[in-house]
Amino acid sequence: GAVVSQHPSRVICKSGTSVKIECRSLDFQATTMFWYRQFPKQSLMLMATSNEGSKATYEQGVEKDKFLINHASLTLSTLTVTSAHPEDSSFYICSASWSGGATAGELFFGEGSRLTVL
Amino acid sequence: QKEVEQNSGPLSVPEGAIASLNCTYSDRGSQSFFWYRQYSGKSPELIMFIYSNGDKEDGRFTAQLNKASQYVSLLIRDSQPSDSATYLCAVRGSQGNLIFGKGTKLSVKP
Repeated sequence: GAVVSQHPSRVICKSGTSVKIECRSLDFQATTMFWYRQFPKQSLMLMATSNEGSKATYEQGVEKDKFLINHASLTLSTLTVTSAHPEDSSFYICSASWSGGATAGELFFGEGSRLTVL
Repeated sequence: QKEVEQNSGPLSVPEGAIASLNCTYSDRGSQSFFWYRQYSGKSPELIMFIYSNGDKEDGRFTAQLNKASQYVSLLIRDSQPSDSATYLCAVRGSQGNLIFGKGTKLSVKP
């Protein structure tokens, strides 16, 4: 199956710093990438949807100036948490889909990134 | 806004038993339904998807869909301790994303 690589898997940072999380599709071109966030004992909540070369579409309640998403190529999307605070501590997961073939539209998930803000 | 509801559990079954996981969804127009398994601290992994009413079997897993009742279920036969995880039900959203339920925690006791 298609592989989506996400890193770092874990990151600890001080309050006020910025953290960048990368999501790469290794063997296919991801036309769309989705960024999710999961708090403890909660479900995955969609933060934003990004299409290659376009600005990301953010879900209601997600600050676009705080969570910067870049999808400059068909194999790479990044999420930057700017001026992180302890309440941003969460599990961030990317997922990618592609538009062609028998599994068109199937989502492939990255391994997730655990962010802890001290 | 589409919603997906699941009983959070925990659901505890003995090894070898059948585990039954249930899910309801709010949007009658939903077409695609998914079951994911998520181990603690890990990303979800796809178990099955189902699009048509009725049953779909894959090994020990059977997904059941009833669109009239807006109900999806997952049966796990011959449950094993390694099946202990949180099971997430999801429906396809309008942007191609997945909308997840909160998940049901399953514990299979040896």
